[in-house]
Amino acid sequence: GIQVEQSPPDLILQEGANSTLRCNFSDSVNNLQWFHQNPWGQLINLFYIPSGTKQNGRLSATTVATERYSLLYISSSQTTDSGVYFCAVGRSNYGQNFVFGPGTRLSVLP
Amino acid sequence: SAVISQKPSRDICQRGTSLTIQCQVDSQVTMMFWYRQQPGQSLTLIATANQGSEATYESGFVIDKFPISRPNLTFSTLTVSNMSPEDSSIYLCSVGTSGSLGETQYFGPGTRLLVL
Repeated sequence: GIQVEQSPPDLILQEGANSTLRCNFSDSVNNLQWFHQNPWGQLINLFYIPSGTKQNGRLSATTVATERYSLLYISSSQTTDSGVYFCAVGRSNYGQNFVFGPGTRLSVLP
Repeated sequence: SAVISQKPSRDICQRGTSLTIQCQVDSQVTMMFWYRQQPGQSLTLIATANQGSEATYESGFVIDKFPISRPNLTFSTLTVSNMSPEDSSIYLCSVGTSGSLGETQYFGPGTRLLVL
């Protein structure tokens, strides 16, 4: 099956700093999504981005499908950005056979 | 978007017993999924809940241990059978939708299960 790696595993930032999270995957995919799991456990979808670049406020994401990686950028981080960021990939639409990466745990300090 | 509720939100159970988790979605969806998140770990897909037919299980998960029902397009249940402490996890219901943002997965708040 598809293997997913994420780096770094842990990240500590001061409020206001920028960061880049990386997701590598082992095979071609047509579905890639980024999620944020807040400290209370709720998972929020950030981006559907099997290729290209998208931006939503302070967050943006880029996927280079031919090189099998995706990047999530967080600018001007806030304490509410703390939590775990997961990359998930699949070959089908709608989440069938979705494989989640191990996550990056982000802590933003005031 | 889709709003998903799960019941119960948490439970403490004795080994050998079974627990049924309910998932309700506020709109009709074709694709519903059940995930497990073990303590401190990532999410693992258990199965796809198919309306009107048997669920499709991922490798390592079997129907006898995790029977799933999907009676209609807004509701599903997952039963964790003959529980052991290793089943202590968060169980999450998820739906897949397609819209202006592309394919998007929405997750319920999860059911936190502790097996003693």
